[in-house]
Amino acid sequence: AQSVTQLGSHVSVSEGALVLLRCNYSSSVPPYLFWYVQYPNQGLQLLLKYTSAATLVKGINGFEAEFKKSETSFHLTKPSAHMSDAAEYFCAVTRNFGNEKLTFGTGTRLTIIP
Amino acid sequence: DARVTQTPRHKVTEMGQEVTMRCQPILGHNTVFWYRQTMMQGLELLAYFRNRAPLDDSGMPKDRFSAEMPDATLATLKIQPSEPRDSAVYFCASGSPRVIHNEQFFGPGTRLTVL
Repeated sequence: AQSVTQLGSHVSVSEGALVLLRCNYSSSVPPYLFWYVQYPNQGLQLLLKYTSAATLVKGINGFEAEFKKSETSFHLTKPSAHMSDAAEYFCAVTRNFGNEKLTFGTGTRLTIIP
Repeated sequence: DARVTQTPRHKVTEMGQEVTMRCQPILGHNTVFWYRQTMMQGLELLAYFRNRAPLDDSGMPKDRFSAEMPDATLATLKIQPSEPRDSAVYFCASGSPRVIHNEQFFGPGTRLTVL
């Protein structure tokens, strides 16, 4: 079985400050890991994904995440927050073979303080 | 530009009525997922299909929910009879073995309110 835990259901940061959203995973087999973003009244959109190539993954909108096997973590970061980053962020895990279902975390709502 | 489409976007109905939600996956995608999102439960997987066959519907209340894929371009999720606790946003997502690494593409959702 696979699972992800997102620490902090709500995170607030000031505009221009570092964004750090935490995700820890549990998987009995090598995983694929994802971060999705959901803006108000919209569906989920892929930010970035780890697929066992590089451990540091760069995504859209200046976000990146680092896969750390020893810590079973896949935290999402952005050096400088922008007002447009306010949204809900979901971490997800799946097994590393085709078309498997994703297991999502409970989400972290990011608020940007002007 | 290829997108997953869902209809209707909003639905308000009364308890006991039948509700049908539709999803058109991205052309060529062979896997379709149905999710439900609520404030209390978050994002839950209800069911998913591959090549139109149901693979897992363990997340779906069997007594009132049903999901089908009449053809490769249409997936439906039906609730009969609907109850107030079914109020949620229902998302459809699609994927394909040609889309590497299990990425899923989400539709905009159907916001269901059952009075």
